[in-house]
Amino acid sequence: ENVLTQSPGTLSLSPGDSATLFCRANHTVSNNHLAWYQQRPGQTPKLLIYGASTRATGIPDRFGGSGSGKDFTLTISRLEAEDFAVYYCQQSGYSPRTFGQGTKVDIK
Amino acid sequence: QLVVSGGGLVKPGGSLRLACDASGFRLSDSYMSWVRQAPGKGLEWLSYISLSGSVSDYAASVDGRFTVSRDNARNSIYLQLSTLRVEDTAIYYCVREMLNGAFDLWGHGTLVTVSS
Repeated sequence: ENVLTQSPGTLSLSPGDSATLFCRANHTVSNNHLAWYQQRPGQTPKLLIYGASTRATGIPDRFGGSGSGKDFTLTISRLEAEDFAVYYCQQSGYSPRTFGQGTKVDIK
Repeated sequence: QLVVSGGGLVKPGGSLRLACDASGFRLSDSYMSWVRQAPGKGLEWLSYISLSGSVSDYAASVDGRFTVSRDNARNSIYLQLSTLRVEDTAIYYCVREMLNGAFDLWGHGTLVTVSS
């Protein structure tokens, strides 16, 4: 199994700040099949980034994904109130598909 | 959209069948998966089914107890949950899977509660 470890567990920031979230796999994620999701309280997860760096439809360019191999990063610039949520990474290059445990971005 | 139904309260050892009905797109053109989220916890991928239904894959935690299937004519997929355990209590989501393995469309989810 390709275990995804996200860090930090919680990120406390203020609106307007930038956030950097990390996702590390214990095996190479083949074909960069790495995605990021946002889940706001009480809501269904929403796809933000796929293929490690491609923004999904309608996702603002404040969200950026990077990385390859085992190490991936989600960057959120100029945090807005709606960005305070939990973020998950997910890989599907290695069976079984797996999610990271999540990073919570909350308001400082 | 994806509409999930079939959740509810069931006793340990019991069974349930979840259904996921698609609208606005052809399910026959889509790879599909099931994902769950226990109360206050993170996301857990459970199962995948190919376009025709001939290929499926399961997480170790549910392999042998859950079975995924699809009926493309009805634009629906299903998840049969058997030998349920208390730790299977969660919201169950049906999700559409892109070719690159990302889940681009999520159903609203249905709550399954396993309790005596």
